[in-house]
Amino acid sequence: GQNIDQPTEMTATEGAIVQINCTYQTSGFNGLFWYQQHAGEAPTFLSYNVLDGLEEKGRFSSFLSRSKGYSYLLLKELQMKDSASYLCAVSPNSGGYQKVTFGIGTKLQVIP
Amino acid sequence: GAGVSQSPSNKVTEKGKDVELRCDPISGHTALYWYRQSLGQGLEFLIYFQGNSAPDKSGLPSDRFSAERTGGSVSTLTIQRTQQEDSAVYLCASSLATANTEAFFGQGTRLTVV
Repeated sequence: GQNIDQPTEMTATEGAIVQINCTYQTSGFNGLFWYQQHAGEAPTFLSYNVLDGLEEKGRFSSFLSRSKGYSYLLLKELQMKDSASYLCAVSPNSGGYQKVTFGIGTKLQVIP
Repeated sequence: GAGVSQSPSNKVTEKGKDVELRCDPISGHTALYWYRQSLGQGLEFLIYFQGNSAPDKSGLPSDRFSAERTGGSVSTLTIQRTQQEDSAVYLCASSLATANTEAFFGQGTRLTVV
């Protein structure tokens, strides 16, 4: 089975840096996704990590440690528009039947 | 179409009625997911289709819920005898067969049972 944990809510200040953590326990593991979901909208893809380490994409970076079952999403130079939910999702390694499992999401509020 | 299309975008129905929600995935995407999201909550997995394999129905909350996918493309989620607790946004997503590809979400159907 799959179990994904992430904080339900976080608050951070405009211009600051925030780290959103995600831990997972899965019966198999292929990679880990991060999605962003603004209120009332559909989730959109941010990143996908397969190998250990940090991948940077502009103001957003995502880190993965396969041995620790741990990932984080790092948001720098926070802007008000970054207020959204951030969903961690795991892609298992189960042959041809690879259902992605989503965490409950972390609701980030950016304040002035 | 260019993206995942869901219809209707909004549906208000009376308690006890049946509803059908439709999802048109991106052409060529063999994987299709249905999720439910209640107000302010996370994504709740409902059902997963992958090619011609038997669907994973493990997330369906009761036997009032069913889904089918015809011809490996369009999918319909049916809720029979709707209850007020079924009120939520129902999201459909599709992706290519391989697991390391992103899922693309539709805009969802907001279902309100009154």
